[in-house]
Amino acid sequence: EAQVTQNPRYLITVTGKKLTVTCSQNMNHEYMSWYRQDPGLGLRQIYYSMNVEVTDKGDVPEGYKVSRKEKRNFPLILESPSPNQTSLYFCASSRLSSYNEQFFGPGTRLTVL
Amino acid sequence: RKEVEQDPGPFNVPEGATVAFNCTYSNSASQSFFWYRQDCRKEPKLLMSVYSSGNEDGRFTAQLNRASQYISLLIRDSKLSDSATYLCVCSNSNSGYALNFGKGTSLLVTP
Repeated sequence: EAQVTQNPRYLITVTGKKLTVTCSQNMNHEYMSWYRQDPGLGLRQIYYSMNVEVTDKGDVPEGYKVSRKEKRNFPLILESPSPNQTSLYFCASSRLSSYNEQFFGPGTRLTVL
Repeated sequence: RKEVEQDPGPFNVPEGATVAFNCTYSNSASQSFFWYRQDCRKEPKLLMSVYSSGNEDGRFTAQLNRASQYISLLIRDSKLSDSATYLCVCSNSNSGYALNFGKGTSLLVTP
């Protein structure tokens, strides 16, 4: 089954404790992206990647890191999480040629205390 | 000013009604336009693309008005299952591969 998976689905952590949210897709997509969704602010792009080792900043990259060492994986790293990073995070993937036709993962709800 | 703007709603309509949402975009160079649907606490899912000539998929019609810089989504014969948030997205690959989503319009179809 074609899908985008994210882990963990739910996470409660404390300020400053480094964490990684994993994202994996099995569709051989070139394009992968991370978003956060907050009430009243909508879906905002954090980082995206056009292919292995090629990443770029979206609207709200501050406080986040990403890497794309393999085509299927695109982890999101929070080196020192803060409460304002409490949010619902979505990973998505697509073909680069149709990058706005995104397949989304189920989301990760992160709470930073 | 956000690049893509939508009326957040909610739009409350009875079953069977026709409802339309608009989405305005500020970048006149935008080339590609799509509508996504998001159910409560779920991931967004692609609903349909928006072609220059307009396109239809069953009860759904999407249109683009370049002169006024907006896209629209028309839903005919609304069903209870149409209740969701509808997000628009606009992009311009000439300026990179970033995606700008609107904040979404909430639709509630009532019996």
